[in-house]
This record gives sequence, C-alpha cells and structure tokens, in this order.
Amino acid sequence: AQSVAQPEDQVNVAEGNPLTVKCTYSVSGNPYLFWYVQYPNRGLQFLLKYITGDNLVKGSYGFEAEFNKSQTSFHLKKPSALVSDSALYFCAVKGYSSASKIIFGSGTRLSIRP
Amino acid sequence: NAGVTQTPKFRVLKTGQSMTLLCAQDMNHEYMYWYRQDPGMGLRLIHYSVGEGTTAKGEVPDGYNVSRLKKQNFLLGLESAAPSQTSVYFCASSYPPGGLAGVGEQYFGPGTRLTVT
Repeated sequence: AQSVAQPEDQVNVAEGNPLTVKCTYSVSGNPYLFWYVQYPNRGLQFLLKYITGDNLVKGSYGFEAEFNKSQTSFHLKKPSALVSDSALYFCAVKGYSSASKIIFGSGTRLSIRP
Repeated sequence: NAGVTQTPKFRVLKTGQSMTLLCAQDMNHEYMYWYRQDPGMGLRLIHYSVGEGTTAKGEVPDGYNVSRLKKQNFLLGLESAAPSQTSVYFCASSYPPGGLAGVGEQYFGPGTRLTVT
C-alpha cells in the first residue's frame, strides 16, 4: 500500500534563511512525487513533481525538491525564505500503475517570521 | 480560463438534510476527484471519475454519492447529512497519467466549507 509521511506539523524559519519541509514515502516500484501548497481559504496549488531523471527538481516560486531513493524521501527546499512562503504544504505520492491514486500527506504548516 | 470552480462556497446544513455540491472545470480534463480536508488528516479521496459517465469509490465514500453526466461537471451529493461530514470539500481535475499529458498532477477548486449541525 502507498503511504506518505510529513513528520513535522509545523516548521518555523526566519526570513532569508534556508527552509526544508520533510516528506518520506512508501510505494511499490518507482514513485511519482508531488508538492502542493495551500494558502489560507484557497485550494491546493501544484508546485513541482518528480517523475524520473535528475534527483533535484525545480518548481514554482523558487522551490526545489530532492528525490532520495535510498532514503525514500522527497524534501522540499528553498535557499532563502520569504514571509509570503508562509502556507500549508502537502507532499503526495503516486505509483507508476495507471490504477494507482495520488495519496496526500497530512500537511506541514510553514511559518516564516520577518 | 476559470480552471476549477465549486459552488457553493459555504453551506450550513441540519442533520438529515441533503445537498449537492457542484464542480466544474474548463480544462477538458478526463479525470475529476472529490476530496475532504479535515485538520491534521490531509486530503482524503471520497469519489473520483476517469471519464464522463463513470465514477468510482475512493478512500472515504460512505454517505456520499456522485455523478458525472457531463465531462466538465462532477457533482457530490449528501443524501442525509451528519455532523461527521462537517469539513472542507475540494474538487480537483487532471489529465490521465501517462504520455504527453504528464503524470496527472491535479488542479484544485477553491473549496466548499460545509457545516452540519
């Protein structure tokens, strides 16, 4: 069975500092991995995805994520945080099978202090 | 393009009442989904559809029904609302995974906040 874990409910970072939001997954075979962001009172927005190839994936708003197969992780990163990055972030995983559904993590609230 | 729209945005129901949530997308996506979002639980899939006229159960389908009579619309019905159905409901759509259409990243509507008293 597929699963995805976001071990931190909340991450607090000072503006200008690097940030990391953690995600680990479990899936049979190779995974498709996603990050979504949710701003208050809004739906989720797609940030980036890993399909295959380069382990470092770049996405919207300066975010990137690193796929680590041996650690089954897909951590979201940004070199310099902005206050406007404060939001709820969701990691998601999908198996290669066309019948496989996307499974979302429970979310991590990112708070950037000025 | 409006993307994915949901109506209504807010609704308060009494236990036992019924209602229908409407989702519409203008991206010609084959797949559509209904999720509920509860604090600390992420998104849970209620029902989904892989094409017009087809629907399937997700992770938490009990107490809900759906219909996909037109490709662009996906309706979620609550026949007899219960307080446990108090939640924020999100609709999403995507291309099918595979090929040039990508791996099925989803596009979400703004949500419907439902309270059942």
